[in-house]
Amino acid sequence: EADIYQTPRYLVIGTGKKITLECSQTMGHDKMYWYQQDPGMELHLIHYSYGVNSTEKGDLSSESTVSRIRTEHFPLTLESARPSHTSQYLCASTDTRGRGTQYFGPGTRLLVL
Amino acid sequence: GQSLEQPSEVTAVEGAIVQINCTYQTSGFYGLSWYQQHDGGAPTFLSYNALDGLEETGRFSSFLSRSDSYGYLLLQELQMKDSASYFCAVDSGGYQKVTFGTGTKLQVIP
Repeated sequence: EADIYQTPRYLVIGTGKKITLECSQTMGHDKMYWYQQDPGMELHLIHYSYGVNSTEKGDLSSESTVSRIRTEHFPLTLESARPSHTSQYLCASTDTRGRGTQYFGPGTRLLVL
Repeated sequence: GQSLEQPSEVTAVEGAIVQINCTYQTSGFYGLSWYQQHDGGAPTFLSYNALDGLEETGRFSSFLSRSDSYGYLLLQELQMKDSASYFCAVDSGGYQKVTFGTGTKLQVIP
């Protein structure tokens, strides 16, 4: 059973606010990912990390930033939320030694008013 | 660039067999994965193929042909709970960056 957690699960916030979406995993995985997904649509990779102090932007342009100070923690920050940021944000991790299987957190549903 | 194509929707009858296809064009290839996602939920891993051929896991099987850049997910003895979206995904490159397909919404009807 995968142990990857995201908080908050749901967030309603006003335009212009700064928010941080938390993601933690207890599996010791070195690779972690953030995806953005609208209902019924495909997953878009917005950030990924190969390990501590390593972060890269994904395929989808995003105004968010990430950090990876500890192996288990990969928070995503929006400095100034906008209605266009309304979406579901999914965090995932994978073990390099594995077959590339990604374990997903439950997701954060964000609504920006 | 990376691209994976899947049918957008498939409908099948309870108890039947359904095949969901995935064709891919990627700059590197290590393996093809399949994920299931119920409405409102997160994707969960189903299967992985690194080599050509068929992998079987219970009612689900997955096939890969690297020469054709093609794979499929086969679901047997369909149950109503199998109604979900199914995504194929390719590991490409040494850093295991994963690219997901567009997803196939499967509806199982009585």
